[in-house]
Amino acid sequence: DQQVKQNSPSLSVQEGRISILNCDYTNSMFDYFLWYKKYPAEGPTFLISISSIKDKNEDGRFTVFLNKSAKHLSLHIVPSQPGDSAVYFCAATSNAGGTSYGKLTFGQGTILTVHP
Amino acid sequence: NAGVTQTPKFRILKIGQSMTLQCTQDMNHNYMYWYRQDPGMGLKLIYYSVGAGITDKGEVPNGYNVSRSTTEDFPLRLELAAPSQTSVYFCASSYEIPVVGEQFFGPGTRLTVL
Repeated sequence: DQQVKQNSPSLSVQEGRISILNCDYTNSMFDYFLWYKKYPAEGPTFLISISSIKDKNEDGRFTVFLNKSAKHLSLHIVPSQPGDSAVYFCAATSNAGGTSYGKLTFGQGTILTVHP
Repeated sequence: NAGVTQTPKFRILKIGQSMTLQCTQDMNHNYMYWYRQDPGMGLKLIYYSVGAGITDKGEVPNGYNVSRSTTEDFPLRLELAAPSQTSVYFCASSYEIPVVGEQFFGPGTRLTVL
């Protein structure tokens, strides 16, 4: 039972254009969402997060949008750069009851390729 | 700060062998985690710890054991290795709740069981 899904295994965009990565979740208890970026042979690194009390969070070129009614979030990268080429993971956790201990449920990842 | 370090980087085991994957963090984080990533899949939580002496199972704990005797170290033990344990293993640590979520990951250990 995949509670967090990234249905696009890969995405290819031109440098300077917008990259949009999508993520869907099924567990209504999730109330905090994160995006991680992963280069080959390295561990994931934290990119940006959003709480369920917000619908948008922005950090430089990266913006995450949350649509709770659709149980959908997206990561926008504008403008895209070749150095953004990596695997992007969506992750979710639940703070309800204070017992999540930060445990994350990850999606399968989307490989982003930004062409010069 | 070295952050989260993992050893070894690579290992090949024969079926039935045992090994310990080492994980150390120097950020004084109480929360630590072990994940595995299979090809084309997301990371799955194996075990986690909320402090020295306190550990609990994650989503896929079968075939693994952990211990947490210090804040810094969180080793993962594989007993009787099986081909299904071929994967990349990541250790992570984080600050305590209520500052949720951002986990710092090590570079991973690539394990092959033949």
